[in-house]
Amino acid sequence: AQSVTQLGSHVSVSEGALVLLRCNYSSSVPPYLFWYVQYPNQGLQLLLKYTTGATLVKGINGFEAEFKKSETSFHLTKPSAHMSDAAEYFCAVIRSSNTGKLIFGQGTTLQVKP
Amino acid sequence: ETGVTQSPTHLIKTRGQQVTLRCSSQSGHNTVSWYQQALGQGPQFIFQYYREEENGRGNFPPRFSGLQFPNYSSELNVNALELDDSALYLCASSLAGLAGGPRETQYFGPGTRLLVL
Repeated sequence: AQSVTQLGSHVSVSEGALVLLRCNYSSSVPPYLFWYVQYPNQGLQLLLKYTTGATLVKGINGFEAEFKKSETSFHLTKPSAHMSDAAEYFCAVIRSSNTGKLIFGQGTTLQVKP
Repeated sequence: ETGVTQSPTHLIKTRGQQVTLRCSSQSGHNTVSWYQQALGQGPQFIFQYYREEENGRGNFPPRFSGLQFPNYSSELNVNALELDDSALYLCASSLAGLAGGPRETQYFGPGTRLLVL
C-alpha cells in the first residue's frame, strides 16, 4: 500500500531563511509525486510535480523539490522564505496506474516570522 | 479559462439528512475527483469519474455516491449524514487520455465546508 509521511506537522522559519519541508513516500511501483499548498479557507494549489525525467523539479513561487528514489523522498525547498509563504503544504503521490487517486500526507503548516 | 468551481461554499445539515454538493470542471477537463478533508488532516480520496463512469473509489461507504454529467460537471451525494461527515469537500478536475491519465495534474476547487449537527 502506498503512503506519504510528512515529517513535522509544524515548521517555523524567519523571513529570508531557507524553507525545507520533508516528504517520504512508500510505493511498490514508481510514483508520481506532487506538492500542493493550501491557504486558509481555500482549496489546494499545485506547487510542482514529478512524473518522469529530471529529478530536480522547479515550481511556482520559487519552490523546488528533488525526487530521490534511493531515499524515497521528495523534499520541498525554497532558498528564502517570504511572509506570503505561510500556509499548509501537502505532499501527495499517485501510483502509476490509470486511477488518479492522490494519496496525501498529513500536511505541514509553515509559519514565517518577520 | 474558467477554473474549478464548487457550490455551495458552506452548508449546515443535521444527522440523517442528505446533501448534494456540486462541482464544475475546469474548461476542457474530462475527469473529476472528490476528496474529503477533515479538520487538520490531508484530503482523502472518495472517488473519481471519467467519462461519466466511476473510475476508482476510496474507502468510503456506499452512502457516498456521485454523478458526472455530459458537460463533465459532477455531483457528490451523501445520504444518512453522520457527525463525522463534517469536513471540507474538495473537487478536482483533470484531463485524462483514453486510458486515464494519473500523471495529469488535478486542479482543485475552493471546496464546500459541510457541518453536520
